[in-house]
Amino acid sequence: AQSVTQLGSHVSVSEGALVLLRCNYSSSVPPYLFWYVQYPNQGLQLLLKYTSAATLVKGINGFEAEFKKSETSFHLTKPSAHMSDAAEYFCAVKGTYKYIFGTGTRLKVLA
Amino acid sequence: DGGITQSPKYLFRKEGQNVTLSCEQNLNHDAMYWYRQDPGQGLRLIYYSQIVNDFQKGDIAEGYSVSREKKESFPLTVTSAQKNPTAFYLCASRDPGTVKNNEQFFGPGTRLTVL
Repeated sequence: AQSVTQLGSHVSVSEGALVLLRCNYSSSVPPYLFWYVQYPNQGLQLLLKYTSAATLVKGINGFEAEFKKSETSFHLTKPSAHMSDAAEYFCAVKGTYKYIFGTGTRLKVLA
Repeated sequence: DGGITQSPKYLFRKEGQNVTLSCEQNLNHDAMYWYRQDPGQGLRLIYYSQIVNDFQKGDIAEGYSVSREKKESFPLTVTSAQKNPTAFYLCASRDPGTVKNNEQFFGPGTRLTVL
């Protein structure tokens, strides 16, 4: 069975600093992995996805993630945080018919 | 514009009343999903449907019911049997016919508050 663990329910960074949000997965088959962003009282928007084509995946808004099979990780990064990045971020893995989501990481950006 | 709509955005109901949340999509997707979101718990799957006239229970189906009579529509009813219905409800869809584009698309959500 697949599962996802997001380390750190809250992360704070200064504006302009590196953003690193951690996601580890468990899967018995090659996984499909996703990162979504959610702004308050809104739905989820896809940031990027890994579908085995390339281990370094670039997404929207300057975010990227690297798939590391040896570490079972799919961490999300952005070189320079912007105030507009403040939101909640979810990592997810696709099962046969269902998607399994992590518990989310709320990113706070300090001026 | 193609997308998913959920209505209403905010919903208030008295305890013991059934309430139906609407989800409509014009993306021509076969698969649709309902999630419940509570603070600190991520998204939990309530029901999903892979095709019209078929649906399956998710991880927390007790106290909820759904129907899938049309491809575009997947309404969720929160019944009086649901012990703690106050939450943010998200609807999603996906085109299972494409392996490459296998992400879910989400609606804007409905916040249900039971008084």
